[in-house]
Amino acid sequence: GEDVEQSLFLSVREGDSSVINCTYTDSSSTYLYWYKQEPGAGLQLLTYIFSNMDMKQDQRLTVLLNKKDKHLSLRIADTQTGDSAIYFCAETSYMDTGRRALTFGSGTRLQVQP
Amino acid sequence: GAGVSQSPSNKVTEKGKDVELRCDPISGHTALYWYRQSLGQGLEFLIYFQGNSAPDKSGLPSDRFSAERTGGSVSTLTIQRTQQEDSAVYLCASSEIRGSSTEAFFGQGTRLTVV
Repeated sequence: GEDVEQSLFLSVREGDSSVINCTYTDSSSTYLYWYKQEPGAGLQLLTYIFSNMDMKQDQRLTVLLNKKDKHLSLRIADTQTGDSAIYFCAETSYMDTGRRALTFGSGTRLQVQP
Repeated sequence: GAGVSQSPSNKVTEKGKDVELRCDPISGHTALYWYRQSLGQGLEFLIYFQGNSAPDKSGLPSDRFSAERTGGSVSTLTIQRTQQEDSAVYLCASSEIRGSSTEAFFGQGTRLTVV
C-alpha cells in the first residue's frame, strides 16, 4: 500500500527559509500536494505538482520533486509568523479498487519564531 | 455553495449514543472523501464516493461506522454506539476529477467528543 512520511516538527526564525520534506512509496503516484492546516481550521491546498515535473514555483513557495528517490520538498522563502501551521504532504494514485487514493502524511508542524 | 460545508462544527455525545455528521460538497464535485484526524495525528482515510460507483469503504475502522451519499451530493457519516476512541475531527473533502488530478477541497471539519 501507499505510505507518506514527514518529519513532525520544524522551527525557523522569521525571515529565514523553511524546507519541509516528505517521502512516499507509491511509484504510481500521479500528483503530489502540499496542504496547510492552521489551528482549528480545515486543510487548505497550497500547491501541487504533477509527477513528470521536478520543480514548481509559486510566489514564496517552491516545490521540488525527486521522482527517483520519491522525495518531495516544500520551500517557503522569507518565512513569516503567519506561516506557522501544520503542513501535510499528500499523493494521489490509482488503487486496485479503482479508487483514486489521496494519501496524507502525518503532517509537519512549522513554528516560526519572531 | 462556495465551499465544502460540514455540520455540526462541534458535537459532544455520550458513550454508546449514535451520531450523524453531515457534509455538503462543492456543487458539481463527483468525488467525496471522509477522513478522521485524531489529536496530533495525520489524516486517516475512512470512505470515498465517486459518482454512481460503489463507495470504497476500506478505511472504515469498524462496522459501527457507515456513510451514505444521497443523490450524488450530500453525505452523512454515521457512528453507532460511539466509543471514546471515536473522539476526533472528522473532515470531509470533495473534488472534481479532471484527468488524474485530485485537487480536494476540505470542509472545516466536525470535532466529535465522546464523553
